[in-house]
Amino acid sequence: DQQVKQNSPSLSVQEGRISILNCDYTNSMFDYFLWYKKYPAEGPTFLISISSIKDKNEDGRFTVFLNKSAKHLSLHIVPSQPGDSAVYFCAAWGTGRRALTFGSGTRLQVQP
Amino acid sequence: DGGITQSPKYLFRKEGQNVTLSCEQNLNHDAMYWYRQDPGQGLRLIYYSQIVNDFQKGDIAEGYSVSREKKESFPLTVTSAQKNPTAFYLCASRHSGQVFSSYNEQFFGPGTRLTVL
Repeated sequence: DQQVKQNSPSLSVQEGRISILNCDYTNSMFDYFLWYKKYPAEGPTFLISISSIKDKNEDGRFTVFLNKSAKHLSLHIVPSQPGDSAVYFCAAWGTGRRALTFGSGTRLQVQP
Repeated sequence: DGGITQSPKYLFRKEGQNVTLSCEQNLNHDAMYWYRQDPGQGLRLIYYSQIVNDFQKGDIAEGYSVSREKKESFPLTVTSAQKNPTAFYLCASRHSGQVFSSYNEQFFGPGTRLTVL
């Protein structure tokens, strides 16, 4: 049973426009969420995170929004750049902090 | 220059052979993790270790084994019992002390692509 879901396997946007990547979770015990960016044949790199006590966190072009009642978070990238083309994973920590639980990823393609 | 190293980058194995993937970190992290990634799937947890000489099974531990004799090292052995071992394997580590600002972040190595011939 997937506890973290990224229902869009791919997304294509034009350079300069907004990219919105979505993530849903089912475990109400998750209390911290992270977004990772991954290029092919490389390890994921941390992008941005948000605690469950907040509903928004910004870092430059990247903003993460959390809607706890809907168990939904989203990553906004504005403006999108060709270098943002990668696979983005949503991940979550739950009680016990065993290890991060990852979604299946969304491949973002930013067209020049 | 601190980080996580995984070797080799690419590994080929014949069916029926065991193979060990290396993971070393010099970040002084207590916790270490092994994940596997398959096409179209997220990262699935194989094993994790919170402290030296202790490790726990993750979600897909069957056919794998690990050891944690040193804080810096967490090797993963893919045994012949693993039915579908061809995958991209990722090692990660994390500070386990909450005083660190990076407490919630897992840092990843570059990965090893294992192909069974």
